[in-house]
Amino acid sequence: NAGVTQTPKFRVLKTGQSMTLLCAQDMNHEYMYWYRQDPGMGLRLIHYSVGEGTTAKGEVPDGYNVSRLKKQNFLLGLESAAPSQTSVYFCASSYNPRTGGVNQPQHFGDGTRLSIL
Amino acid sequence: GDSVTQMEGPVTLSEEAFLTINCTYTATGYPSLFWYVQYPGEGLQLLLKATKADDKGSNKGFEATYRKETTSFHLEKGSVQVSDSAVYFCALSDSNYQLIWGAGTKLIIKP
Repeated sequence: NAGVTQTPKFRVLKTGQSMTLLCAQDMNHEYMYWYRQDPGMGLRLIHYSVGEGTTAKGEVPDGYNVSRLKKQNFLLGLESAAPSQTSVYFCASSYNPRTGGVNQPQHFGDGTRLSIL
Repeated sequence: GDSVTQMEGPVTLSEEAFLTINCTYTATGYPSLFWYVQYPGEGLQLLLKATKADDKGSNKGFEATYRKETTSFHLEKGSVQVSDSAVYFCALSDSNYQLIWGAGTKLIIKP
């Protein structure tokens, strides 16, 4: 029962470096999401995707890019990392809430802890 | 815009104590409401949900009732265990089907 798998689990970057976080889900979910979690702020949506080949901006998209080339994968990229991007990043997936019901739960990965020095 | 407000933590209780974690919301329309739980080192997982007024969600001894008149969805458990120590998030589903999250409440249960 893999569910949602995020790689890597930890990473330390220097300011200005780039990296890609990978999210993979095996539940055939249409929707996928990237969040960041910061102390006292809950989860904030960075980008999301409603299907293969489509992406959309969330609440805090600046400094990030995403791609959904395959239905099961959702990649989050940092082109030029900044200390303000130090955070824990969570990927989630769900069935289409518009067709499967508004209360479709999101399934989360275990997170990637990213530190930018 | 829509928002969710949770009581600040940490909340520290002794084992077998009664738990209440307050959650209130502001929203247009009639959102669905959720409680998610995050155990240490893990991602979030759905604990319970309610989709309309007066619905009661329940799971693992936890309960929450959708109160439209007070715009609240407080989480309760009659007798907590050490294993309930975690961070609890209240959330609502907005008109665009996005989840709006509260800041989270850390719960610490002492034996």
